Amino acid sequence: GEDVEQSLFLSVREGDSSVINCTYTDSSSTYLYWYKQEPGAGLQLLTYIFSNMDMKQDQRLTVLLNKKDKHLSLRIADTQTGDSAIYFCAVPNSGYSTLTFGKGTMLLVSP
Amino acid sequence: DVKVTQSSRYLVKRTGEKVFLECVQDMDHENMFWYRQDPGLGLRLIYFSYDVKMKEKGDIPEGYSVSREKKERFSLILESASTNQTSMYLCASSPGTGMSPDTQYFGPGTRLTVL
Repeated sequence: GEDVEQSLFLSVREGDSSVINCTYTDSSSTYLYWYKQEPGAGLQLLTYIFSNMDMKQDQRLTVLLNKKDKHLSLRIADTQTGDSAIYFCAVPNSGYSTLTFGKGTMLLVSP
Repeated sequence: DVKVTQSSRYLVKRTGEKVFLECVQDMDHENMFWYRQDPGLGLRLIYFSYDVKMKEKGDIPEGYSVSREKKERFSLILESASTNQTSMYLCASSPGTGMSPDTQYFGPGTRLTVL
């Protein structure tokens, strides 16, 4: 099955940019997703990118996809304390409607 | 907006009890999913369903069963709760086959403690 890896922790100062990285193994993925989880809550869809795109920008969020290296990243510009959360990368499993999630990157933003 | 609701935010049960976790979605989605989330282990898929009365095992189905009698409702059942089932349980739904992207939408989660 799919294997998805993320670094576990990132700490930045308010106003800096944050970059969260993700690597995956399956090359047949179509859409790749980023979810955000605030403390005690469920997962909220942040954004997604189609596999024939290199980049997608949505306000402060930029998703970069390097399909050759199977590397996905999420950049948050002008990071705010409200961005402190766990961020999950998710990749579809071949032939199924299921997703494999990374273990999540905890982003801590300090004032 | 898609809305996925779960019957309880917090639940405390005793070892050996039968536990029902309910999930309802209001977007006529075909697919529904149950995950558990544990620190250091991320999200793990327990069961999913792609149609009424249909179910498929996920990565960790042992000790759990599911029921989907109506399209909007997907129940997770712990037949005899054990302390190692203490966890956060997350339900999700997605539109289903033919939809692109087949995005999953999550409920708020149920934190279950088994004593």
